[in-house]
This record gives sequence, C-alpha cells and structure tokens, in this order.
Amino acid sequence: NAGVMQNPRHLVRRRGQEARLRCSPMKGHSHVYWYRQLPEEGLKFMVYLQKENIIDESGMPKERFSAEFPKEGPSILRIQQVVRGDSAAYFCASSPDLGGSPLHFGNGTRLTVT
Amino acid sequence: AQSVSQHNHHVILSEAASLELGCNYSYGGTVNLFWYVQYPGQHLQLLLKYFSGDPLVKGIKGFEAEFIKSKFSFNLRKPSVQWSDTAEYFCAVNAGNSGGYQKVTFGTGTKLQVIP
Repeated sequence: NAGVMQNPRHLVRRRGQEARLRCSPMKGHSHVYWYRQLPEEGLKFMVYLQKENIIDESGMPKERFSAEFPKEGPSILRIQQVVRGDSAAYFCASSPDLGGSPLHFGNGTRLTVT
Repeated sequence: AQSVSQHNHHVILSEAASLELGCNYSYGGTVNLFWYVQYPGQHLQLLLKYFSGDPLVKGIKGFEAEFIKSKFSFNLRKPSVQWSDTAEYFCAVNAGNSGGYQKVTFGTGTKLQVIP
C-alpha cells in the first residue's frame, strides 16, 4: 500500500513565479491536510480538504495561496507570485476518516524561492 | 486557539541514557495527543497516541508517554536510547472542532542526537 506521495521533492522558483505542489493521498483516504514548516518552527496547519471541497482553510494566507482536491487526481497546493518568505517545507497528510485515525504524512516538498 | 509547547529544542544523549521530552498543550477540553518522529530524510511517522483510557501510552520502539491532565502535559519517555533514535520528535494535539476533523497543532519539535 503506497504511502502519501508528494512531488516534487524539491522545487526552486524565482520570485514572482508560481509553485504547484502535488499530493496523492494513501489509497482509500479521502481527507487531505496541508502543513507548512518554516525554518526552526513546527508544522503549521494550512488547509483541510475532502474530495472537491475545501473544509477549513483558516491556516492559509489570504492571498496568493490556494488548494484543491479534485474528484480525480492529486491534491494541489498552488502559490502564485512566490516571495522569499514562502520558502519552507510543505507537507501533505491524509487520513481515511474523520475522528481518531492518525495522519499519514508524505515526505514533503521543500520550496526554495530565489 | 490550541497551542503546543516543547521545552527542549536540542537534546544530546549518550547511548543507554534515559530520555524524557517535555510537551505541554493549552486547551481545556477533550484532546487527542500524539507524538510523531521524523528520522533524517524521512517523513513524519506516528510514535504513539492518546485518545482515552490508560494515561500511560506505549508506542513503537520502546517509547511511552504519560498524559497528565492536571498539568496539560504529555511527556515522551524512553528508558534507554539507541543511536538509531536520533531524529526530530514532534508533540501534537487535536483539540477537536465542530467538523470532527483533525486540525492537529504541532509543537516546534525536539532534535534528539544520540552519541554512540
């Protein structure tokens, strides 16, 4: 059973470009979470999605960031017009249901903005 | 809003030493508590979790944690560490929400280095 797959593993973008981060949850998991880890900080919740629905995006910056989890295909975290402060590790996690099942994490995408 | 505090950012121990990593959370209601570990170059993995019942929780690889509700703490322990325990450890809490999903809050992590 493949784990949570994130790609790319490393992404370098110049200021002003767009970054697209992809996450395929574990098979059978329909709940996806995105977290961001800034240097020397813990993981911060960004957004929670179910298929075709954004349930909670309270941790997402109001501008330039968006997320989707379409009916078919991976979940996408999109950052438009990236700035240096967006440089971080972005982790995706999935779970099979609501409630107590622990989150299964991907290896993360390390975004570097030059 | 819920928050999680991990008191130690870096811990260096010799093999066979005992380990205790502190974790405190702020939330007055029912919580689910977790410890995750991230080995170098790998993804976060669940070490152990507490939902209810016995406050002393056993996890993988000889780790355990004790939930002390009166102290809002969930400290991680291991009697004798090994070099292979070198990793970063994250305490996390899910204080629940009206939607029932896992809006988990993580601590800043503790980097453990075990010296052979």
